[in-house]
This record gives sequence, structure tokens and C-alpha cells, in this order.
Amino acid sequence: DTAVSQTPKYLVTQMGNDKSIKCEQNLGHDTMYWYKQDSKKFLKIMFSYNNKELIINETVPNRFSPKSPDKAHLNLHINSLELGDSAVYFCASSQDWGPGQGTGANVLTFGAGSRLTVL
Amino acid sequence: AQSVSQHNHHVILSEAASLELGCNYSYGGTVNLFWYVQYPGQHLQLLLKYFSGDPLVKGIKGFEAEFIKSKFSFNLRKPSVQWSDTAEYFCAVRNQAGTALIFGKGTTLSVSS
Repeated sequence: DTAVSQTPKYLVTQMGNDKSIKCEQNLGHDTMYWYKQDSKKFLKIMFSYNNKELIINETVPNRFSPKSPDKAHLNLHINSLELGDSAVYFCASSQDWGPGQGTGANVLTFGAGSRLTVL
Repeated sequence: AQSVSQHNHHVILSEAASLELGCNYSYGGTVNLFWYVQYPGQHLQLLLKYFSGDPLVKGIKGFEAEFIKSKFSFNLRKPSVQWSDTAEYFCAVRNQAGTALIFGKGTTLSVSS
């Protein structure tokens, strides 16, 4: 039973299109994240939601819009796709936001990734 | 701003060799430290973590890491690597003020049999 699942696993599309990647976690976690892994394997935080509220919004073009309908889901919609958007997008979740606590709240569980290729 | 540096971009070892991957972070407060591993074609998995207490932490698959606060370091070690350890290794830091997990740029480990 997959803990953090992302769909689709692979996505090939043309420049200018709009696409979405979906993420669901069945761990009962309160916090979810989107990370982008570029061609050099560098992982960078994009967004984080805690209990459906946006808590991290890094310097990401506003063509990227996350949506969290409930705390178990965090979807990523991308408008007007560009070549530079090609990457692997990882969804992750953690027990909660947990500032100040050195607990399991800080441990992220990752999904398998969604490889986006923009042609 | 908080950052994480991994000094080795690509490490190539023979089986049974010892491994040490460097990780340094820049944050003066209390931090939580992690090493994640990404096997070819797979997602990231937690290898080990440090929150507090004994600075030498043991993880899965025979890996361990030592937190040296004075050096802002959290180096990963394994006494004898195996071919199956071939993977990307990521050091990550989260400060207890509550930010996202910040990753280093990763180290590619290639182990030849």
C-alpha cells in the first residue's frame, strides 16, 4: 500500500501546454511538499502545505499553482509549460510542521516522482 | 540563508572499500540532520537522522553518520561498501525554527564489483 503516490509517473508534453500532477498520501500526515529535481539531481523545495494552508512558497514562477483540496492531497498545476520545466517533481509528506520539535514530524516520506519532459 | 554543502560530487569505489561523504551546513541554531539515498530510478529514502543526543547515529544498511557541532558537519560513513550501495546520497538540514528541509546537491556513489 503506497504511502505517497503521485500520478502520472511520466508526462511528455509540448511547450505552452497546461498540465497537472497529483499527489496523495495515506499516512495521516498534516504537511505536504513539492520538490523539483533538476537534471543535475539538485532537489529544491517549491511549496509546502500544512493542513491545507500554504506555508512555504519559494521563488517559483506563478505559472506553478499548488492546490490542496484536503490534507491528504496536494496537486501541482503548471500553466504555459516551458523547456526549463523539464524535471522530476517529487511530492513528500511529514507528520506535521513541527517547528522546534526534534521529532518524527521532521521526517519526510517521498513519492516515486513524476518525470516531466517538455518538448 | 540556510545552506548545505556536499563536497564530493562523484565518488567511485571498489567493493569493500570504506566510504565517507562530507556534508556541511550553514546555520547557527539547533538543526535536525538527515541523509537520504536515491537508488537508480527510485524515490528518496531515509538512511538516517539526527535530532539530539548521541552525535553518532546509525542508520539502515550499515551506514552511520557523525554530527560534529563545532564543524557544522554531518558526514556519512560506511566501513565496507557493496555494489548495491550505488546511488545518489543527499544530506539535508532543517532548522528548528521551522522551514522546509534543505538538501545538498547530492553525491553520486558508484561501486564497482
